[in-house]
Amino acid sequence: NAGVTQTPKFRILKIGQSMTLQCAQDMNHNYMYWYRQDPGMGLKLIYYSVGAGITDKGEVPNGYNVSRSTTEDFPLRLELAAPSQTSVYFCASSETDLASGNTIYFGEGSWLTVV
Amino acid sequence: RKEVEQDPGPFNVPEGATVAFNCTYSNSASQSFFWYRQDCRKEPKLLMSVYSSGNEDGRFTAQLNRASQYISLLIRDSKLSDSATYLCVVNMKGGGGADGLTFGKGTHLIIQP
Repeated sequence: NAGVTQTPKFRILKIGQSMTLQCAQDMNHNYMYWYRQDPGMGLKLIYYSVGAGITDKGEVPNGYNVSRSTTEDFPLRLELAAPSQTSVYFCASSETDLASGNTIYFGEGSWLTVV
Repeated sequence: RKEVEQDPGPFNVPEGATVAFNCTYSNSASQSFFWYRQDCRKEPKLLMSVYSSGNEDGRFTAQLNRASQYISLLIRDSKLSDSATYLCVVNMKGGGGADGLTFGKGTHLIIQP
């Protein structure tokens, strides 16, 4: 009963380093999302994808890149880590769009610190 | 006006009491409304959707007031396990755009024995 799986759970990066946060879902959902959550703040959408081969920017895309080569996987790439990217990152998925109130399912989160 | 606004709390409530909190939203065209629960250092999980006619699930009742643009969550007979942060989530884009969800900052609830 995996659902949405994210790795790694915790990571410390040095300024300027690069890394990829992995996300996989086994629910055959078309829609996938990456959010970040800063302390005391609401979740902010970084990127989303409505299907394999299609990605779009969310509210806070700067400093990140994504790809969606398969339905299952939606990795998030940080190219030049900056302290402002210290946050908790949540990957999520939903079966279709959210018009009819379809539920969005979250992974357990990835805690990233940039020092 | 902030898009989705919640009182951050914390709400300190004795076990067994009833507690209610509201969330206001700025876009009158918003279509879908949800309450999510987030435990400390965990992911958000859907608590309940909020329908125009209201929604009740056990001890939890959610209401929508479109005229005043707010949703509410009522918890009756509160349990220690209800301690969490409750996120108000609004789909502000008609048609259900994938980028339409707006999250409130959350209301922190602490149930005291």
